[in-house]
Amino acid sequence: NAGVTQTPKFQVLKTGQSMTLQCAQDMNHNSMYWYRQDPGMGLRLIYYSASEGTTDKGEVPNGYNVSRLNKREFSLRLESAAPSQTSVYFCASSEGTGNTIYFGEGSWLTVV
Amino acid sequence: AQSVTQLDSHVSVSEGTPVLLRCNYSSSYSPSLFWYVQHPNKGLQLLLKYTSAATLVKGINGFEAEFKKSETSFHLTKPSAHMSDAAEYFCVVSGINSGYSTLTFGKGTMLLVSP
Repeated sequence: NAGVTQTPKFQVLKTGQSMTLQCAQDMNHNSMYWYRQDPGMGLRLIYYSASEGTTDKGEVPNGYNVSRLNKREFSLRLESAAPSQTSVYFCASSEGTGNTIYFGEGSWLTVV
Repeated sequence: AQSVTQLDSHVSVSEGTPVLLRCNYSSSYSPSLFWYVQHPNKGLQLLLKYTSAATLVKGINGFEAEFKKSETSFHLTKPSAHMSDAAEYFCVVSGINSGYSTLTFGKGTMLLVSP
């Protein structure tokens, strides 16, 4: 069972470079999410997509863009990476309100 | 608005002794509450979930949590710790933001288990 799959798992970027984190889920879930995890901060929501064709800002959206390509895929783009974006990024999905959210394995991003 | 407070950033126990990880929450709605576990360099795995059914919720690996509305608490317990339980644990409340479901995470509690 694949669940939520995100790539790449590790990435090092130089300041100012751009990159896209890819995420796909095979559970036919409506909602998808991108979180970042920083030490002592728990997980903070960057963007979410309640359903195909919709996206909304979360708690920390600055410096990021997202695309809900179809029901399965939800990508996160950094247009001009900054050291403050060094973090672990998690993609997640759920059926909807109040339902369990399932997480990918994480993407470790370092911006130098 | 909703929030979650995990009362301990670190908890240390000996193998075979009970585990208690404390969590308090606030929510404008009847909340759904979760505990997730994260092992080093891994994703988050669901331990258990409360959704207004039984107040005592049993999860995987012998963990359970009790929802106490009067105390706005959702503490996680296990009768006997195992070395493999060493990980970071997150208490999470599910709520509604602009009509959509989102999760609010506590800052995590690191569980250390010594032999």
